[in-house]
Amino acid sequence: DADVTQTPRNRITKTGKRIMLECSQTKGHDRMYWYRQDPGLGLRLIYYSFDVKDINKGEISDGYSVSRQAQAKFSLSLESAIPNQTALYFCATEDRDGTYEQYFGPGTRLTVT
Amino acid sequence: GQNIDQPTEMTATEGAIVQINCTYQTSGFNGLFWYQQHAGEAPTFLSYNVLDGLEEKGRFSSFLSRSKGYSYLLLKELQMKDSASYLCAVRDRGQNFVFGPGTRLSVLP
Repeated sequence: DADVTQTPRNRITKTGKRIMLECSQTKGHDRMYWYRQDPGLGLRLIYYSFDVKDINKGEISDGYSVSRQAQAKFSLSLESAIPNQTALYFCATEDRDGTYEQYFGPGTRLTVT
Repeated sequence: GQNIDQPTEMTATEGAIVQINCTYQTSGFNGLFWYQQHAGEAPTFLSYNVLDGLEEKGRFSSFLSRSKGYSYLLLKELQMKDSASYLCAVRDRGQNFVFGPGTRLSVLP
């Protein structure tokens, strides 16, 4: 089984709809991240959480919110989706006990029409 | 502002050596990372540098000069499977990860 999972993997939604992307991890890491990836722009940080009670805004948090329901779960919500939120979204965890590398989920491809 | 620059695309031949450069200007520095990303897949970790110098891991090596805000990823004995995007990322003072736009490497037979 994958260590970091994301649901759904693909989603098409309409402008104005509320949508939630979910991330779960079995790695036991405290730190979790949400990124979006757009062609030519690389990965941009939306929100990050260092533990269940710690949530921080990233570079592009406007239009998004998050919830850290447990150490293993970190959800990203778009309260009212707009077309320029069409992107590939990645969740990641961080290994703080070793190499500090991030482990990425498989990604969610979101299209807002 | 925060800025990371990498070449957009590079092409190399199977069996050759290629160097992918990365320059950065960030709010503080707490480490530089390289990730590999195949098309349609998630990024996977390649290397981490926090001190100046060269880190070697098999066919891949990564170099860092903090005073110059510069890093490179060196790939030796290129294989077709090395065709991918290579992402340079810096952890800044606020513990945020700032990613560059990525370098798309094509390995030709």
